[in-house]
Amino acid sequence: DAGVTQSPTHLIKTRGQQVTLRCSPKSGHDTVSWYQQALGQGPQFIFQYYEEEERQRGNFPDRFSGHQFPNYSSELNVNALLLGDSALYLCASSYRGKETQYFGPGTRLLVL
Amino acid sequence: AQRVTQPEKLLSVFKGAPVELKCNYSYSGSPELFWYVQYSRQRLQLLLRHISRESIKGFTADLNKGETSFHLKKPFAQEEDSAMYYCALDSSYKLIFGSGTRLLVRP
Repeated sequence: DAGVTQSPTHLIKTRGQQVTLRCSPKSGHDTVSWYQQALGQGPQFIFQYYEEEERQRGNFPDRFSGHQFPNYSSELNVNALLLGDSALYLCASSYRGKETQYFGPGTRLLVL
Repeated sequence: AQRVTQPEKLLSVFKGAPVELKCNYSYSGSPELFWYVQYSRQRLQLLLRHISRESIKGFTADLNKGETSFHLKKPFAQEEDSAMYYCALDSSYKLIFGSGTRLLVRP
């Protein structure tokens, strides 16, 4: 089991563009959470997907949206990118959202 | 407001010295707290959670509800303990993280 996987590892975009990040959960997990980690900060919760629906959302604008597929994998979409969206985006998976969250290696996004 | 505070950005100790990484939280209700660690070039991983009361890699953490603290301790630091440590609070399926403390263990 490779654990939680994320793609791509790095990404460079320009302001105003749109980006899609992908996450595959650990085997046996059905819940995916997304976090944004700015430089020098702890991860901040964006939202969580369970049973293909957004179950909970953090304090992020509607430019941030997501999706969960029947195989439990998930995408994070960010529209109209701002310079401040530059960060490490972490995906975490768990079982029903109630057990320990396991993190992926992250996708580093740079917005120029 | 639910919050996790880690007051030290950097903690530097010598090998063999005791270590205490501080974590304070603000939460109404019974908190579920975690310590996550990130070693160089590795992903964030769970170190311990308070409900399991385990000791992992010699680290322990005791929940003090009166002081709203969950400090991480180790009696004798090793060089391989050098890493970034994050305290986190479970709040209805989401984790609220502190800003992290970098532990540097010098030889």
